[in-house]
Amino acid sequence: DAGVTQSPTHLIKTRGQHVTLRCSPISGHKSVSWYQQVLGQGPQFIFQYYEKEERGRGNFPDRFSARQFPNYSSELNVNALLLGDSALYLCASGFGGSPREQFFGPGTRLTVL
Amino acid sequence: DAKTTQPPSMDCAEGRAANLPCNHSTISGNEYVYWYRQIHSQGPQYIIHGLKNNETNEMASLIITEDRKSSTLILPHATLRDTAVYYCIVRVDGATNKLIFGTGTLLAVQP
Repeated sequence: DAGVTQSPTHLIKTRGQHVTLRCSPISGHKSVSWYQQVLGQGPQFIFQYYEKEERGRGNFPDRFSARQFPNYSSELNVNALLLGDSALYLCASGFGGSPREQFFGPGTRLTVL
Repeated sequence: DAKTTQPPSMDCAEGRAANLPCNHSTISGNEYVYWYRQIHSQGPQYIIHGLKNNETNEMASLIITEDRKSSTLILPHATLRDTAVYYCIVRVDGATNKLIFGTGTLLAVQP
């Protein structure tokens, strides 16, 4: 069975640009969460979507947005990139129940120059 | 607001038990303790969770003190592949299942 997949694996952008990251959950999972992990720190929650609706948002500026599609895949969009947005962006999928059922993808490494 | 405190790093000899401590003195009565680990260049992986009783699965054992203010994750026979950052997490938001990660403990298993 395929796990959570994320694309691209690596990305380099310059300040002010826009980026779109993609996540495909495990088949049958209806919940997708996004996390940002800055080097040397633990992941920080950005968004959760369940059944295509936003269920929660972390303490991130409005430059960050996301959506979930009918097939439960998800996109994370970041506008007006800043140097501080450089991080590993992780996607986790689940049935929507307990954290035990959340499975993380390998992440997208975003570098902003 | 991670609500947990863990040592930044620990060493363990291969084949020996690794005991990773976590303090969560402000934990609420209905909050679970979850453990995840993150091997270099991979996403976090669920290990185990518990409320107040000790728990064991194929990966590890979780010992929670009676007052629930601290817990210990035990890897009974550590291998080199267990080298990772281990996160102790107290779930806070029941609506979103948001995981609040701290900085974790880097466990280095030595040959």
